[in-house]
Amino acid sequence: GQNIDQPTEMTATEGAIVQINCTYQTSGFNGLFWYQQHAGEAPTFLSYNVLDGLEEKGRFSSFLSRSKGYSYLLLKELQMKDSASYLCAVVDSNYQLIWGAGTKLIIKP
Amino acid sequence: NAGVTQTPKFRVLKTGQSMTLLCAQDMNHEYMYWYRQDPGMGLRLIHYSVGEGTTAKGEVPDGYNVSRLKKQNFLLGLESAAPSQTSVYFCASRTSGDSGELFFGEGSRLTVL
Repeated sequence: GQNIDQPTEMTATEGAIVQINCTYQTSGFNGLFWYQQHAGEAPTFLSYNVLDGLEEKGRFSSFLSRSKGYSYLLLKELQMKDSASYLCAVVDSNYQLIWGAGTKLIIKP
Repeated sequence: NAGVTQTPKFRVLKTGQSMTLLCAQDMNHEYMYWYRQDPGMGLRLIHYSVGEGTTAKGEVPDGYNVSRLKKQNFLLGLESAAPSQTSVYFCASRTSGDSGELFFGEGSRLTVL
């Protein structure tokens, strides 16, 4: 079967750095997405990785290792508004998105 | 620029009632999707469409039907609602490229009593 694993919940301090991990086992791989979802709102796009390595976009970076079936989202200089759920999704061999259950990130002052 | 619009935003149904959720997108996207999101679970695909007049089943299609008569609209129907269908429903659309990001509607919260 296909599986995406993320931690259920993480807590971090305002101004700090946090890394949210995602491991996957899917039938094929055609890219990996990270989405942010604030409570009661729709998911919004953060990043897309299809090749190994680190993609940096402002305070947010995303890393991919296809050989390890592993990705992480790195958030720097955390702000209170970063409190949200972070969803990892893999594009499988049929170009369908397989979603993880999401990681709820709690930021404390 | 409206993006993806879902109606209604909230609805309460009694078991056995029927209803239709409407999704409209103004970005000329080929692909459209209906997901449900339940606590502690990832987004689960109900049905999707890769173009006008075409639909396909996703991971959890039972109890739902869909139609894509116009490119910009994707309708999700519940013929006989059940309490297990209480959920938040999201519509999404994207271009046909491999890396096309999904654009989501605001969600529709459905409660079946």
